[in-house]
Amino acid sequence: RKEVEQDPGPFNVPEGATVAFNCTYSNSASQSFFWYRQDCRKEPKLLMSVYSSGNEDGRFTAQLNRASQYISLLIRDSKLSDSATYLCVAPAGGTSYGKLTFGQGTILTVHP
Amino acid sequence: DTAVSQTPKYLVTQMGNDKSIKCEQNLGHDTMYWYKQDSKKFLKIMFSYNNKELIINETVPNRFSPKSPDKAHLNLHINSLELGDSAVYFCASSQGQLYNSPLHFGNGTRLTVT
Repeated sequence: RKEVEQDPGPFNVPEGATVAFNCTYSNSASQSFFWYRQDCRKEPKLLMSVYSSGNEDGRFTAQLNRASQYISLLIRDSKLSDSATYLCVAPAGGTSYGKLTFGQGTILTVHP
Repeated sequence: DTAVSQTPKYLVTQMGNDKSIKCEQNLGHDTMYWYKQDSKKFLKIMFSYNNKELIINETVPNRFSPKSPDKAHLNLHINSLELGDSAVYFCASSQGQLYNSPLHFGNGTRLTVT
């Protein structure tokens, strides 16, 4: 199993739609997770941190399922500006030195 | 006001040359990183420094040499550049050295080796 694995998509959804991405991780000891957003030719930017069962911020909800070792990101009422690549991030195994591993990213395109 | 800044933004050079990328953060963070994002968009960690001490050194050719003169700066020097080094290199920082601290990225250096 890859350390962090995402469905690369692409997901093409209309404005107003609800879309969900899943991400699986291999390190069962992981305690904290992150979702980043990366626009084309830009740096990744932190979208949400997930430290317990989940987190909600406006239209965005992240959920953590430790038993199945996956986290999800739900986007409600999609906007054109949500079009980006969404990166799932989890700690790699066996270290406490901030070694965060990125998934390959899920591409989202929101169309009118 | 830029939190993590790296220079240059673009770097075009020929094979065999030596080049450096500089990074500075004004967030007061203890830990800094270099990540490489290849053409398939995969972000991979290369190095990490905590308070000027190297703590993560992934399997990277020894042509790549990071240097941290102080905890606010982390530079990357690359010797004998190869075509396969073409990528976007991101500097990042985080508070502390634990894996529950999110990363803050610079805007990247797009390196093209011809």
